[in-house]
Amino acid sequence: DTEVTQTPKHLVMGMTNKKSLKCEQHMGHRAMYWYKQKAKKPPELMFVYSYEKLSINESVPSRFSPECPNSSLLNLHLHALQPEDSALYLCASTAGNEQFFGPGTRLTVL
Amino acid sequence: GENVEQHPSTLSVQEGDSAVIKCTYSDSASNYFPWYKQELGKRPQLIIDIRSNVGEKKDQRIAVTLNKTAKHFSLHITETQPEDSAVYFCAATDTGNQFYFGTGTSLTVIP
Repeated sequence: DTEVTQTPKHLVMGMTNKKSLKCEQHMGHRAMYWYKQKAKKPPELMFVYSYEKLSINESVPSRFSPECPNSSLLNLHLHALQPEDSALYLCASTAGNEQFFGPGTRLTVL
Repeated sequence: GENVEQHPSTLSVQEGDSAVIKCTYSDSASNYFPWYKQELGKRPQLIIDIRSNVGEKKDQRIAVTLNKTAKHFSLHITETQPEDSAVYFCAATDTGNQFYFGTGTSLTVIP
């Protein structure tokens, strides 16, 4: 398996809902990332996990909660989101310096 | 921290012409510079990269050049085709742990 996968592809949620985004890679990559991306803007780093430990948290609001259950899986738990949180959420993993992105989850918060 | 600037923000070229996108970076410790192509509604895809010990790298119609002294690197696309239309992002990293992205260039190739 040579790619990063993400589920779901699309998610619509209300501001009181709790949902989770999932990311998986089976390439043995040491680092996994969550990014938020608005249309035609660069990916904005949220979290980095290195060897299953959270190494970077870019001052992300607590309504976003990451989790790395094992070296292949990365979750992003969502709670009490705001409409401005609507975006494409990208997962990525890194081998050496090369970073590979998953297809993303298109999130809409109503 | 690192600051990556990218120009131009939009670029239109005629099919068959060349396109050049330029990026500058601020941290001399950065040593790996990837370029990503992102088509509408899709993921960013790595199209070419360059490491700091190399001045130029080419892959078919795509090339990247790096000037470490001036801290800038450029993407060159020759013989452009309509399927090259996309948003292109440059990036820089020193550790491979945190990537710093440019602001993106929206390239349109006019048939």
